[in-house]
Amino acid sequence: AQKITQTQPGMFVQEKEAVTLDCTYDTSDPSYGLFWYKQPSSGEMIFLIYQGSYDQQNATEGRYSLNFQKARKSANLVISASQLGDSAMYFCAMRGWNYGGSQGNLIFGKGTKLSVKP
Amino acid sequence: DVKVTQSSRYLVKRTGEKVFLECVQDMDHENMFWYRQDPGLGLRLIYFSYDVKMKEKGDIPEGYSVSREKKERFSLILESASTNQTSMYLCASVDGTEAFFGQGTRLTVV
Repeated sequence: AQKITQTQPGMFVQEKEAVTLDCTYDTSDPSYGLFWYKQPSSGEMIFLIYQGSYDQQNATEGRYSLNFQKARKSANLVISASQLGDSAMYFCAMRGWNYGGSQGNLIFGKGTKLSVKP
Repeated sequence: DVKVTQSSRYLVKRTGEKVFLECVQDMDHENMFWYRQDPGLGLRLIYFSYDVKMKEKGDIPEGYSVSREKKERFSLILESASTNQTSMYLCASVDGTEAFFGQGTRLTVV
């Protein structure tokens, strides 16, 4: 069965510093994609970054980068130069493709609440 | 550039009412999902659809049904609303490397 684990319920970071949010996953699918989302207090889920299982390089989008270690089944999100507006819940998600070619559900971890201190 | 739109941001309904939550996407995606989000429980999948008129149950389908008559629209139906269905409902549109959400609907059943 597929599973996403985020072990940090809450984290604090000083403004302008970098922070790493952990995500580990488990799947038997040969191909899969990993997503990170930001959810501010307004409730909207904002897509941040995507990493495919066969991508050779770590994904980057502006201040967001994904530290993908396939052998360890980890896909940590790195936010550089934290801003006050980065305070939010962050969710890691995964979707797999099985050997039959059908695509699975988009499953989520429990999330990490990030608080940026001025 | 709105991609996924949910019909209501906030909704208050009475117990026993039939409730319709609408979700529309403009990306021509095959797959659409409905989740509910509750404190401490994370996002739980209610139903998903991988094609027009095709649907599959998620983890918590009881008390819900769905409809997908057109590719761009995926509706979640609460057959007879109950107070334990008070929650945040999130619709997602997914295809390949893209997975976008609507703004969410906070439903309160009184």
